[in-house]
Amino acid sequence: GAGVSQTPSNKVTEKGKYVELRCDPISGHTALYWYRQSLGQGPEFLIYFQGTGAADDSGLPNDRFFAVRPEGSVSTLKIQRTERGDSAVYLCASSLQRGSYNEQFFGPGTRLTVL
Amino acid sequence: GDSVTQMEGPVTLSEEAFLTINCTYTATGYPSLFWYVQYPGEGLQLLLKATKADDKGSNKGFEATYRKETTSFHLEKGSVQVSDSAVYFCALVGYGGATNKLIFGTGTLLAVQP
Repeated sequence: GAGVSQTPSNKVTEKGKYVELRCDPISGHTALYWYRQSLGQGPEFLIYFQGTGAADDSGLPNDRFFAVRPEGSVSTLKIQRTERGDSAVYLCASSLQRGSYNEQFFGPGTRLTVL
Repeated sequence: GDSVTQMEGPVTLSEEAFLTINCTYTATGYPSLFWYVQYPGEGLQLLLKATKADDKGSNKGFEATYRKETTSFHLEKGSVQVSDSAVYFCALVGYGGATNKLIFGTGTLLAVQP
């Protein structure tokens, strides 16, 4: 079956612009995670959705970052007024459900470059 | 807060050599521990996991034992292959957490030469 997909695979934008990154989780997975991976670092948690609601957004770095999952499937990470420090690979992962640990399946990521 | 520390790379080995990648953690309670692998051009994949003290996770010839007394989860393989070349990440999920969010180490690049 299809895995987690993310679009675009690469995004180059200018400082101050707005960007949207899309994640399509595995069908039937109710839990969805966003992580950010900077060069030479491990992924860092941003936000977690259970169904349509953001159950934990404690990892969002500031109010320029926002994410939605309106129908409990596809999610969009939105970044306003992008800064050069936002350049990173943004990873999405999904899992069957919360509760005892369920394996998170990762997408290939979106590489964001802010010039 | 919870954190993971793993040995810096790159680690360069010849084929059939023994591999150890060290990982230690800081966490309250009893976290679950994981090794993820990222092959060139591919996404992160779960390699193995252990959910309680003294558990041993294993997969594809790799092993790691959850050591509560030393807060460690070192990754080992007896005989590496060129195809094992990848970046390896140690990670944890905090005990009793509501989100199951993963906390990763910085990753260790393994390069296996024929």
